[in-house]
Amino acid sequence: TQLLEQSPQFLSIQEGENLTVYCNSSSVFSSLQWYRQEPGEGPVLLVTVVTGGEVKKLKRLTFQFGDARKDSSLHITAAQPGDTGLYLCAGEGSNYKLTFGKGTLLTVNP
Amino acid sequence: GAGVSQSPSNKVTEKGKDVELRCDPISGHTALYWYRQRLGQGLEFLIYFQGNSAPDKSGLPSDRFSAERTGESVSTLTIQRTQQEDSAVYLCASSLALVNTEAFFGQGTRLTVV
Repeated sequence: TQLLEQSPQFLSIQEGENLTVYCNSSSVFSSLQWYRQEPGEGPVLLVTVVTGGEVKKLKRLTFQFGDARKDSSLHITAAQPGDTGLYLCAGEGSNYKLTFGKGTLLTVNP
Repeated sequence: GAGVSQSPSNKVTEKGKDVELRCDPISGHTALYWYRQRLGQGLEFLIYFQGNSAPDKSGLPSDRFSAERTGESVSTLTIQRTQQEDSAVYLCASSLALVNTEAFFGQGTRLTVV
């Protein structure tokens, strides 16, 4: 069974601060995805990382895939209240099954 | 349809009753997933379909839970003899059966067992 551990589980910060959330596993994934979920909605894809060591930037968000393709991080610069939400990582295994972590609930206070 | 559609959006049922949740995936998406999400929690994998087959049912919590998919399209998740701990949002997602594929989620069915 492939498991993804996300940390921290909860994060509350002030507007303008930087933060990093982590997604770790003992398993290798062919790709790893980050989703953001707002209350009452389903998760929406932010980015997919495929290559070990890959770094992708999406405005103030920076995503990194570990060299061994077992872990990933999401860094947000100068967080804004609109960044508030549940951030989920999901790993794609060899049979295309998506395994999700439990998520990091981020609250950015004005 | 343009996106993944789930019905009903909300369901309140009495303990012990059976419920059926429906998911209409995006047309052409051969992979379909069911997840359960309890309040303030992440996604708990239930079952995964590739076409009409379910290669992985390991997430189904008990034998009261079952799911089927027909025509590589609609899927139903059935919970028999519901219990209060079944209360949660049940999310369905579909994706193309290719590598690095995005999962598109419905808005979920909020199930409340009273």
